[in-house]
Amino acid sequence: RKEVEQDPGPFNVPEGATVAFNCTYSNSASQSFFWYRQDCRKEPKLLMSVYSSGNEDGRFTAQLNRASQYISLLIRDSKLSDSATYLCVVNSMEYGNKLVFGAGTILRVKS
Amino acid sequence: GAVVSQHPSWVICKSGTSVKIECRSLDFQATTMFWYRQFPKQSLMLMATSNEGSKATYEQGVEKDKFLINHASLTLSTLTVTSAHPEDSSFYICSARNSSDEQFFGPGTRLTVL
Repeated sequence: RKEVEQDPGPFNVPEGATVAFNCTYSNSASQSFFWYRQDCRKEPKLLMSVYSSGNEDGRFTAQLNRASQYISLLIRDSKLSDSATYLCVVNSMEYGNKLVFGAGTILRVKS
Repeated sequence: GAVVSQHPSWVICKSGTSVKIECRSLDFQATTMFWYRQFPKQSLMLMATSNEGSKATYEQGVEKDKFLINHASLTLSTLTVTSAHPEDSSFYICSARNSSDEQFFGPGTRLTVL
């Protein structure tokens, strides 16, 4: 079983739509959780950290369910510029304080 | 945010040659840097953890004699792909961790081995 699993997509949505991505992780001792965004042929960039209480940053909302080992990202009012690959990332001291990346979910927002 | 640079951004080389990639943290000191590799449509895979002043820690399946890592200062780590072969063609990305445990990624180096 992969340490971090995501639906690869692609998710094809119209502008203005709301879209949600899910991610599951296998190590219950994982401590930190992130969503990164990666554009084609570019490096990953931190989109937001994910906290147990859930957190929001503008149109983006992230949630964490430790009991189910599940992380989600909700994007409201999708823009064309949101088109990218979204990477679910987990950090754990058991991993030697290293980031473990999911394979990513592709989002394509169309006009 | 913090800036991490990589050089070169892309390189094409012949099979059997060695290629050196540099990773620099430009505005902070990084005792730990990481080297990743990403093949098309796959996730980033950690190759090794580079610690300043000590030997790198390699992930399982990564040959330390093929991928030489040197972290001689708090702002520079280098990855040398020795005797490169076509199957080494990939996107190599470094990251640097600051004292607050935040990790910042370099722009990546695209290696093509002919």
